[in-house]
Formats: sequence, structure tokens, C-alpha cells
Amino acid sequence: DQQVKQNSPSLSVQEGRISILNCDYTNSMFDYFLWYKKYPAEGPTFLISISSIKDKNEDGRFTVFLNKSAKHLSLHIVPSQPGDSAVYFCAASANAGGTSYGKLTFGQGTILTVHP
Amino acid sequence: GAGVSQSPSNKVTEKGKDVELRCDPISGHTALYWYRQSLGQGLEFLIYFQGNSAPDKSGLPSDRFSAERTGGSVSTLTIQRTQQEDSAVYLCASSQGGGRFGYGYTFGSGTRLTVV
Repeated sequence: DQQVKQNSPSLSVQEGRISILNCDYTNSMFDYFLWYKKYPAEGPTFLISISSIKDKNEDGRFTVFLNKSAKHLSLHIVPSQPGDSAVYFCAASANAGGTSYGKLTFGQGTILTVHP
Repeated sequence: GAGVSQSPSNKVTEKGKDVELRCDPISGHTALYWYRQSLGQGLEFLIYFQGNSAPDKSGLPSDRFSAERTGGSVSTLTIQRTQQEDSAVYLCASSQGGGRFGYGYTFGSGTRLTVV
């Protein structure tokens, strides 16, 4: 039961163009969403997040969009740079009965390659 | 230390043997999580420790898996009678408090376990 899905295993983009990574979820209890970036042989690092009370959050070149009715979120990177080449994971968190608790459910990841 | 340290970084073991994976969290971080990433899969939650509370073991895939956290610091994940399907990258993360906002997570680089 994959509650968070990233249906594109890979994405290839030219430097300077926009990269759009997509993520779908099924659990309507999820109310906080995050994107992580992972380089080979390193652990994932936090990139950007969004609460379900918002539909957009922007941080520099990175913007996350949330469409709750479609249970879909996307990460836009503009402009894309070769150093952005990595695996990107989306993750979701549910407010488990009010308990402050950090368990995250992750998608399978999308490998982004940005060509110079 | 400055980050989350995991050892060993790579482990090859024969089917049926026991293995121990170690995680040294960031000093002062009270929450510690274990995840694993199998080939082509997302990060799968295994277990969560928060302070002196009973751990959340709901993600452990079988009773061959167990984990301890001694003195609220170092954690050991033990897999008994390893099977080939246990082959994965095992990731540890720690955070300050049990906050559910994953930007507080710091991941280690992981242990790549290969069962032959």
C-alpha cells in the first residue's frame, strides 16, 4: 500500500530550464508535506515543505505546490542547475491524534539529471 | 558529533547470519528513527525512539528485526537470520524533540546491507 507515490523514476532537464517533480498521495490524513534531496552515498537532506493550509511555498529557486483536492504536490526548480542532479523524495506526515510525532511516509524517489 | 554517524557503511553477510547496524545520533537529539530503502522503493519507516517513551515498532517487517537505544543516545538495529529480501540501505535519522516536521530530521549516510 503505497500511500505516497512518485510515478516518474527519472527526469532529465537542460540547465537553465524548469524541473517539475510530481508526487501523489492517497491518505487524506496527511497534512504536512516535504521534499528531500539525496546525493549518492549521503543521507537525504531537507529541501522545502508545505502545510496543507497553503497551496504554495517558495524558497529561492524551489517552489512547492499543493493541490489538496487532487492529492497532488509538485516541486518546481527554476532555473535548474547541474548541481541539482540528485534523487528527490517527497514525504508526508499525518497529525496522529494530536501527538507531536515525526514519522514520515516517503515516495520512491525521482532521479533528476540536469545537463549542462 | 556534527552529524548522524552510521556504521558500518557497507555490510555483506551470508543468508542466515545475524547483523548489527549502529547509529550515533546528534548529541542532544531526543528522537531517533530508522528507515530502510530497498531497490526501487521509497524510504520505509521501521522504528522510532523518543526520549524515555516506549518505541514505536510498528514498521518493523518481522520479528527478526529489533532495535535498542541505550542511554537515550546510540541505537543498534539487529537483524537475525538475515534473508536476501533484507538487502537495502538502512538509514538512521535524529531530530530535536519528536516534532513531526521533517525539516528537523538529520539523516546519516546509511548502511548498505547486502545479503548473499
